[in-house]
Amino acid sequence: GENVEQHPSTLSVQEGDSAVIKCTYSDSASNYFPWYKQELGKRPQLIIDIRSNVGEKKDQRIAVTLNKTAKHFSLHITETQPEDSAVYFCAASIKGGSYIPTFGRGTSLIVHP
Amino acid sequence: SQTIHQWPATLVQPVGSPLSLECTVEGTSNPNLYWYRQAAGRGLQLLFYSVGIGQISSEVPQNLSASRPQDRQFILSSKKLLLSDSGFYLCATSGLAGNTGELFFGEGSRLTVL
Repeated sequence: GENVEQHPSTLSVQEGDSAVIKCTYSDSASNYFPWYKQELGKRPQLIIDIRSNVGEKKDQRIAVTLNKTAKHFSLHITETQPEDSAVYFCAASIKGGSYIPTFGRGTSLIVHP
Repeated sequence: SQTIHQWPATLVQPVGSPLSLECTVEGTSNPNLYWYRQAAGRGLQLLFYSVGIGQISSEVPQNLSASRPQDRQFILSSKKLLLSDSGFYLCATSGLAGNTGELFFGEGSRLTVL
């Protein structure tokens, strides 16, 4: 089955700095890679996703890159703000049918004002 | 509108007592449904998933069970809770937004077993 590794487990940055979270996956058939943000005590919510036919996707201050050959993808947050503090999860799956995403273990991002 | 409801939000139960968490989805039909557990505020552990009524797949053997009596209803149960069952339980569906692959999570149920 799919295995997703996520690093680092904790990331501490100063407000305004950039933050990068990296994930690797094992199943070359995976074609959908979402990122979820979970604020303290709340449910995870999708913030950005990328499909295997795209190498990069941006949405304002966040971007995701995908390297299919190396089987890794990364989340980039620029100009971090205190409200970016949360746990971020990457996931990998094969879209279609019985869609079962495999999640990374999460990264706790702390943005210091 | 398309929404996912989960309850209760918080519960404190003694060891050995039963458990029932309920999740319902509105605005979509034949959704995939999932139960996840988070311990210590980190890591999403998939417990059960269902692709249709009466179809339940278990990912982790334990004293929990799941049932799907109706198309848009998913129930997590236990006959006798253990201390290790404490955690944040999340119901999710991939049935909203036209099966794009995105998971929509319920608000979560925080269970404390004493």
